[in-house]
Amino acid sequence: EVVMTQSPLSLPVTLGQAASISCRSTQGLVYETGKTFLSWFHQRPGQSPRRLIYQVSNRASGVPDRFSGGGSGTDFTLKISRVEAEDVGVYYCMQGTHWPWTFGRGTKVEIK
Amino acid sequence: QVQLVESGGDLVKPGGSLRLSCAASGFTVTDYYMGWIRQAPGKGLEWISYISYSGHDINYEDSVRGRFTVSVDNAKNSFYLQMNSLRVEDTAIYYCASGDQVREPDFWGQGTLVTVSS
Repeated sequence: EVVMTQSPLSLPVTLGQAASISCRSTQGLVYETGKTFLSWFHQRPGQSPRRLIYQVSNRASGVPDRFSGGGSGTDFTLKISRVEAEDVGVYYCMQGTHWPWTFGRGTKVEIK
Repeated sequence: QVQLVESGGDLVKPGGSLRLSCAASGFTVTDYYMGWIRQAPGKGLEWISYISYSGHDINYEDSVRGRFTVSVDNAKNSFYLQMNSLRVEDTAIYYCASGDQVREPDFWGQGTLVTVSS
């Protein structure tokens, strides 16, 4: 099973400041089609997860452009350019290349 | 508007069975693969199964393989998770999910709570 390791697990941020979350996989995530199935999700308390980023760097529909994803191989990053109050919650990376598809443990973002 | 609605969650004793349903609206299940993801209380997310629209491509996570069965009913635009031999550790919110690629789901249901306890 591919293990996804996120860091940090807790991220206190100041409104308007930038934030970055790292995600590392124990195997490369390039699928047989050549695509890399690394996604990022945001979950607020009591809500379902919402997809933010797919295939490493593509923003999902309706996601603000302050969110960006990048990386390759086994190292990936989610960046928030200017944190807003609505960005609090838990962020998960997920690989969809090797079954069972797996999530990271989550990074809890809170406002300082 | 795309919507997934789960139902069927309940309190059940260890060794018992439960059947979860996921009703789709705004799209037809024949267009997409569908999947089940669970989240134990206060914990992270875990993929447990997916199924193709034809029902021929199915996979399970090891801890549920042989106990859980996923199926699809195209006429009802729904898919299901039959859970047998339930264990305490199966306690979780169960989400159904889908999208252009189920391996990066952009549609999620609201979740249904399964509690396994004596």
